[in-house]
Amino acid sequence: GAGVSQSPSNKVTEKGKDVELRCDPISGHTALYWYRQSLGQGLEFLIYFQGNSAPDKSGLPSDRFSAERTGGSVSTLTIQRTQQEDSAVYLCASRSGFRNTIYFGEGSWLTVV
Amino acid sequence: GQQVMQIPQYQHVQEGEDFTTYCNSSTTLSNIQWYKQRPGGHPVFLIQLVKSGEVKKQKRLTFQFGEAKKNSSLHITATQTTDVGTYFCAVANAGGTSYGKLTFGQGTILTVHP
Repeated sequence: GAGVSQSPSNKVTEKGKDVELRCDPISGHTALYWYRQSLGQGLEFLIYFQGNSAPDKSGLPSDRFSAERTGGSVSTLTIQRTQQEDSAVYLCASRSGFRNTIYFGEGSWLTVV
Repeated sequence: GQQVMQIPQYQHVQEGEDFTTYCNSSTTLSNIQWYKQRPGGHPVFLIQLVKSGEVKKQKRLTFQFGEAKKNSSLHITATQTTDVGTYFCAVANAGGTSYGKLTFGQGTILTVHP
């Protein structure tokens, strides 16, 4: 596609429910990132996928968070048993190669009530 | 992983004034990137610096990478209201052929008063 596509753009969920956020990177991009940004805050690294290598999961805040990337393309970030502190914008980004430009999606705004 | 400190956290300027944000690291960086995020928007890549002492310009924006590759700055000359937003630096944990994750500074929020 023309850019990184994320869905849903907005999600309101009840505390304790599970949510899935989807990222469709730019076609051909081998690297994919997930970040979290709380209101007025910086970007918190969550997870990084590079080709067929094992993902860097060092930023996932708890075992309620998981992500997968199927077929080296689409990625899904899953948050189980959501808590109010999970409310944030979840940003996905992709990159085509070493030292190339990183493109961000518009983000998925998650609100846990 | 590599960490960067970014200052200032906030900057309020009158339109036409200059603006500078700085990123500093205690370790040598392999590269540094700069991003701009408009209010309500997503980060947009501006530039990447990889060489010691590198200086790059984009119209009114000047980006510098320190000689020791431990610091970088973004300078905007004669700010305009369209410059409003948050400016982030970011470093990649590059090692060999592995780009690694991208770690962002805390960002500088720029407000421009007309």
